[in-house]
Amino acid sequence: ETGVTQTPRHLVMGMTNKKSLKCEQHLGHNAMYWYKQSAKKPLELMFVYSLEERVENNSVPSRFSPECPNSSHLFLHLHTLQPEDSALYLCASSLERGGPERLNTEAFFGQGTRLTVV
Amino acid sequence: GQNIDQPTEMTATEGAIVQINCTYQTSGFNGLFWYQQHAGEAPTFLSYNVLDGLEEKGRFSSFLSRSKGYSYLLLKELQMKDSASYLCGVANTPLVFGKGTRLSVIA
Repeated sequence: ETGVTQTPRHLVMGMTNKKSLKCEQHLGHNAMYWYKQSAKKPLELMFVYSLEERVENNSVPSRFSPECPNSSHLFLHLHTLQPEDSALYLCASSLERGGPERLNTEAFFGQGTRLTVV
Repeated sequence: GQNIDQPTEMTATEGAIVQINCTYQTSGFNGLFWYQQHAGEAPTFLSYNVLDGLEEKGRFSSFLSRSKGYSYLLLKELQMKDSASYLCGVANTPLVFGKGTRLSVIA
């Protein structure tokens, strides 16, 4: 148990469905991340929120929409996905220390949501 | 840009020592992390290096050379449960990872 909880653990959705992934942490962290992990590919960073503001978005398709209502919760809203979006979606959190270098502690990962788009 | 390279796969024998290398070229650097990920599970933190040199933690050690953009993870006295993927990640706000090295420990 890492202190980062993701739900659901498994999700099967059609291409016309709308669903949301949820991530929750109570570690006192102030940065949260969504990563995508496809088979035989590296962890791909999708979104970063620091202090509830989105600070990075690596040109992810608009069919993925993140939401961070507070420092403990992070959502990933999904709509009109494609089969190639099937992957393991991992949430992580860390403590970002202020200052010009914005140092991060290690990231703690949730167990992930295994998404299958049919 | 960000470029982190690791070998894709490695095989080693139970009880042996294995070294997993990682080279990186990133636009910034705030430290290097190693994570272990068993199949179907979340990555778990192993080590963090921000200064040059060797950090030892039990059977696992991690080395960093910032001038060379190079790190390695050293696993001693290998056990079957060490079979997993090992991810090298650069802390550059945010963490960026390599593709991971799949280690198979055989009897």
